[in-house]
Parts: sequence; structure tokens; C-alpha cells
Amino acid sequence: AQSVTQPDIHITVSEGASLELRCNYSYGATPYLFWYVQSPGQGLQLLLKYFSGDTLVQGIKGFEAEFKRSQSSFNLRKPSVHWSDAAEYFCAVGVANQGGKLIFGQGTELSVKP
Amino acid sequence: KAGVTQTPRYLIKTRGQQVTLSCSPISGHRSVSWYQQTPGQGLQFLFEYFSETQRNKGNFPGRFSGRQFSNSRSEMNVSTLELGDSALYLCASSLRTSGDNEQFFGPGTRLTVL
Repeated sequence: AQSVTQPDIHITVSEGASLELRCNYSYGATPYLFWYVQSPGQGLQLLLKYFSGDTLVQGIKGFEAEFKRSQSSFNLRKPSVHWSDAAEYFCAVGVANQGGKLIFGQGTELSVKP
Repeated sequence: KAGVTQTPRYLIKTRGQQVTLSCSPISGHRSVSWYQQTPGQGLQFLFEYFSETQRNKGNFPGRFSGRQFSNSRSEMNVSTLELGDSALYLCASSLRTSGDNEQFFGPGTRLTVL
């Protein structure tokens, strides 16, 4: 069965420091991969997605992610974190032949220290 | 273009009651998916509707049902509410029903069951 694992439940970084959020997936074929962000009391906003092609994808708000097939990973990165990046981040997999169903990881809560 | 809207935003019910939540997708979007978000289980897929037909269903009991209207608006219904149904219910809309399709999420309906 398909699954998504985000090993870090909570991460704290200092403002201006770099950030990497980890995501590992389990899926037989090339998955459709997404990163979403959720601020308190809000819905999910798409940061970036990977379907095929260049394994380094750029998203909104200065985020990027790299797809590594050999490691079944799709880690999210940002070179310099801003206080407004504090939120919960979700990695998700879209599965072929299952329509619009997304399988989400448990999420990583990001705190930013001033 | 207006985003995904969900009504009501907050709801308090008692055990045994039933509840109906509404979702209006982005204009032109024909697929609507529903997710349940809880601290313990995270984000879980409930079901997806496309062109008034249920296309996919998650692992939830039959108390959870939904429908979609000809204007793509969707409702989900939960009958015989249990305490464990307390959650944030998120609706997402997309143009198509496929794994490589970007989904746009609404702000959610916070359901509390007492």
C-alpha cells in the first residue's frame, strides 16, 4: 500500500537559517508528489509539485524540493527561513488510477526562533 | 477567481445527531474531494466526486456519505455522530480527477461532537 512518512514531527529553526523537511514515500511506480503548507485555522496551500522531468522543483515562497528515486524521498528545502514560514507542512502522494485521492504524511510543525 | 468555500466554518453537535457540510468548488472545477483531519490520524481521504458521481472512497464507515450537484457543489453528511468524528473537514477542488492534478483546499469546517 502507498504511504508517506515525515520523520520529524516538530522542527525549530532560527530566522535566516536554512531548512530541510524530510519526506519518504512508499509507492511502486513514479508517484505524483506534493508539498502543502497549513497555517493555524487555515486550509492547505500548495507549495510545489513533482510529476516528472527535472528532479529539482521550485515552488512558491522560495521553497524547493528534490525528488530522489533511489531514496524514495522528496525533501523540502528553503535557504533562509522567515518568521512567517512558521506553520505545518504536509507531504502528499497522488496515486495513478485512484483519481484525486491524496495520501498525506503526518505533517511537520515548523517553529521559527527570532 | 474565488477560492473554495466551505460552510459552516464551525459546528457543534451532540452524539447521535447528524450533520451536513457544504463545499463550493472553484468555478470550472468538476472534482471535489473531502478529507478528515484529526490530531491522531492526520489527514485522511474520505471520498471524491466528479460530475456528480463518486469516483473514490476512503476507509470510513457508511455513516459518512456525500453527494455532488450539477453545479459541482458538494455536500457531505455524517449520521449518528460519535465523539471521534470531531475533526476539521477539508474540501478540495480540482479540474480533473487524476493523481497529477493540483487540488485547491478550502478553509475547512471545524466539527465538534459533544
